[in-house]
Amino acid sequence: AQSVSQHNHHVILSEAASLELGCNYSYGGTVNLFWYVQYPGQHLQLLLKYFSGDPLVKGIKGFEAEFIKSKFSFNLRKPSVQWSDTAEYFCAVKAGTASKLTFGTGTRLQVTL
Amino acid sequence: EAQVTQNPRYLITVTGKKLTVTCSQNMNHEYMSWYRQDPGLGLRQIYYSMNVEVTDKGDVPEGYKVSRKEKRNFPLILESPSPNQTSLYFCASSLAGSYNSPLHFGNGTRLTVT
Repeated sequence: AQSVSQHNHHVILSEAASLELGCNYSYGGTVNLFWYVQYPGQHLQLLLKYFSGDPLVKGIKGFEAEFIKSKFSFNLRKPSVQWSDTAEYFCAVKAGTASKLTFGTGTRLQVTL
Repeated sequence: EAQVTQNPRYLITVTGKKLTVTCSQNMNHEYMSWYRQDPGLGLRQIYYSMNVEVTDKGDVPEGYKVSRKEKRNFPLILESPSPNQTSLYFCASSLAGSYNSPLHFGNGTRLTVT
């Protein structure tokens, strides 16, 4: 079964700092990759997704992620974070044509002014 | 407005008292799923349904039941809740058979079992 690892559990950054959150998965075949964001007190929302083509994916609010197949990674990046980016971020993987979505344990991002 | 609606948002109950959390979606999605979210554990899938009358266990199904009698509804049933089921629960839906279709989540139900 596939698994997803997010090694950064809690990240604290100042506004305007650059962000990179790690995500690694274990599955050797075709994958579909997602990043979801959960703002305080809210439900999860899709940030961006990758399923084929250009491995550099751009999402909403200036976020992007790069799929590196050889490293089984799908790291999330943002050049300059804002206080409003404070949230929990979840990486998720669908393996092959399965509908099941496996989530990582999440990374809590705290952006200070 | 396309949405997944869960009720109630908050629920406090006692051990052993049966409860149901409702979930409804208006997007004609075939696939529906229940997750629980716990600190440090992320989201874990409880049950999912590929279509009407088709349900399957996820990663943590013990102590839960579901039913899918209609396409839009996917209630989560706790026949005899226990304190270890205290958690934040999310219902989600997506287009089945479309492997790159993202999940749409409900607003969550925070359950406390005393």
